[in-house]
Amino acid sequence: SQTIHQWPATLVQPVGSPLSLECTVEGTSNPNLYWYRQAAGRGLQLLFYSVGIGQISSEVPQNLSASRPQDRQFILSSKKLLLSDSGFYLCAWSGGKKGSYEQYFGPGTRLTVT
Amino acid sequence: SQQGEEDPQALSIQEGENATMNCSYKTSINNLQWYRQNSGRGLVHLILIRSNEREKHSGRLRVTLDTSKKSSSLLITASRAADTASYFCATVIGGANSKLTFGKGITLSVRP
Repeated sequence: SQTIHQWPATLVQPVGSPLSLECTVEGTSNPNLYWYRQAAGRGLQLLFYSVGIGQISSEVPQNLSASRPQDRQFILSSKKLLLSDSGFYLCAWSGGKKGSYEQYFGPGTRLTVT
Repeated sequence: SQQGEEDPQALSIQEGENATMNCSYKTSINNLQWYRQNSGRGLVHLILIRSNEREKHSGRLRVTLDTSKKSSSLLITASRAADTASYFCATVIGGANSKLTFGKGITLSVRP
């Protein structure tokens, strides 16, 4: 069966510090991968998506970046965090044997920038 | 602007009652999906309905789609306290590998 992991689960970082969130998927190959951010009480904002290694599409201009160094690994980074980067970050995958439409989400990372 | 918008924003019902949540969208879609999110957790896919389908069932869930009105509804029958969560509709406009566009969600509280 397929599983998706995210870490860390929670993170408190000062303004101006770097960020690295990691997401890995098991049990499928060549998945589409997604990073979302969810502000408190709000819906999901798509930040980045990737259809293959090294292929990253950005949805919203901001100080975040994403990379996909391996087929089932997706990393969200920032060189200098802003207060507005606080939120709940969710990684998701779709495709592979499950088909291309439904998305399957990780447990999320709660980021607080102080 | 949001492609999918749910209403009501919040719903509180008694255990055993039915819960109906609605979603409206703006442009033609390939399919519409409903997801559930328990507090502080990731989203869980509930059901997908394609643009050529009008109704779909999964256990206690019933989803309808009216493409002429660009709206969908999610009905949870015989609700349980464990159904307490946020529910999101999400639309897909294009073909395979297309992105999902999520609404802001509905907070459902089921009182024991």
